[in-house]
Amino acid sequence: KQEVTQIPAALSVPEGENLVLNCSFTDSAIYNLQWFRQDPGKGLTSLLLIQSSQREQTSGRLNASLDKSSGRSTLYIAASQPGDSATYLCAVANTNAGKSTFGDGTTLTVKP
Amino acid sequence: DGGITQSPKYLFRKEGQNVTLSCEQNLNHDAMYWYRQDPGQGLRLIYYSQIVNDFQKGDIAEGYSVSREKKESFPLTVTSAQKNPTAFYLCASKRQGSTNEKLFFGSGTQLSVL
Repeated sequence: KQEVTQIPAALSVPEGENLVLNCSFTDSAIYNLQWFRQDPGKGLTSLLLIQSSQREQTSGRLNASLDKSSGRSTLYIAASQPGDSATYLCAVANTNAGKSTFGDGTTLTVKP
Repeated sequence: DGGITQSPKYLFRKEGQNVTLSCEQNLNHDAMYWYRQDPGQGLRLIYYSQIVNDFQKGDIAEGYSVSREKKESFPLTVTSAQKNPTAFYLCASKRQGSTNEKLFFGSGTQLSVL
């Protein structure tokens, strides 16, 4: 059974700092991995999706990497802003049917 | 605009009552999902459906039921057998066929017990 872990559970940084969020998974036979952002009381917004054949994806200040052999993905946020404050979740899909398994998330606070 | 609509935004259940959460999508996606989120935790899969008139149990299906009579609709019923229903419920959908298909979410329904 796939297990997904995100460490740390919470992170607080000053504005402008670069930071890395971590996602670990136990079953390396993944279909894809998706990073989401969730604001309090809201649904999830997709940030980046990395296919199983890819090593990284970039969108603006965000860069996500994937290392299947070590069971790890990282989300790099450059030049953090207070508006980046949210909970970030990673989700691993093992088949096309989707049964995506989610980590518990990392709650990020960016202080002005 | 294409998207996933969940209603209501807030729902209150009395003891012994069944309640139904609505999920509609106009993205023409094949697969639809229901997840439950408890405070400070990730999402756990309740049920999912890959095609009309077919659905499968997820990790925490006990006390819940679903139907998929139309491609665009996937309602979730929280039955009286679910003893701890207070949670945030999220509906999602995606197209199937390649590793590049993203999972999209609705805005959620907060269910509370009176």
